[in-house]
Amino acid sequence: SQQGEEDPQALSIQEGENATMNCSYKTSINNLQWYRQNSGRGLVHLILIRSNEREKHSGRLRVTLDTSKKSSSLLITASRAADTASYFCAPNTNAGKSTFGDGTTLTVKP
Amino acid sequence: DTEVTQTPKHLVMGMTNKKSLKCEQHMGHRAMYWYKQKAKKPPELMFVYSYEKLSINESVPSRFSPECPNSSLLNLHLHALQPEDSALYLCASSQTGARDRGSPLHFGNGTRLTVT
Repeated sequence: SQQGEEDPQALSIQEGENATMNCSYKTSINNLQWYRQNSGRGLVHLILIRSNEREKHSGRLRVTLDTSKKSSSLLITASRAADTASYFCAPNTNAGKSTFGDGTTLTVKP
Repeated sequence: DTEVTQTPKHLVMGMTNKKSLKCEQHMGHRAMYWYKQKAKKPPELMFVYSYEKLSINESVPSRFSPECPNSSLLNLHLHALQPEDSALYLCASSQTGARDRGSPLHFGNGTRLTVT
């Protein structure tokens, strides 16, 4: 199975600042997805970027994908306290299932 | 609130008990998943059903028994669990099967299971 590895493991910023987290993976992918999980809740799908895309935006989220480096980044601009959560990437291949990396725990201080 | 509903929200069971976790979605999704998540860890895939057939079993112990009665429902039957099975059990669904082009997963809020 394909597993993403997120970096950093933990990130603490002030409200209004930008947060960047990175994901690396091992083999060729079909697409890569980012999810958010608030404490004790299920994961919420944020954004999907296909292997032929380099950048994608959704509101305050910006995702980039570099297939040559097998890496992706998630940028959250103008962060809010409500963005405090764990963020997971999930690389997907044609062959089968994807798994989640260990995630980045983001804390946004008011 | 999510479109995937899991019941119960919390469950405490002894090691000799038999219990079931339930999951329901009405989005017309044809793939459904069970994940197990321990504290401060990512979700770990357990089972995948695609078009109501079990398509992936991640070498899960037989004390966990999944069932997909129809395209909207997914159950996880529990029997003779161990304390280390205590975790958050998450159900998810997606529009197409796991071996297709990686459709986004829609998660429920999970069942917090404690085995005593």
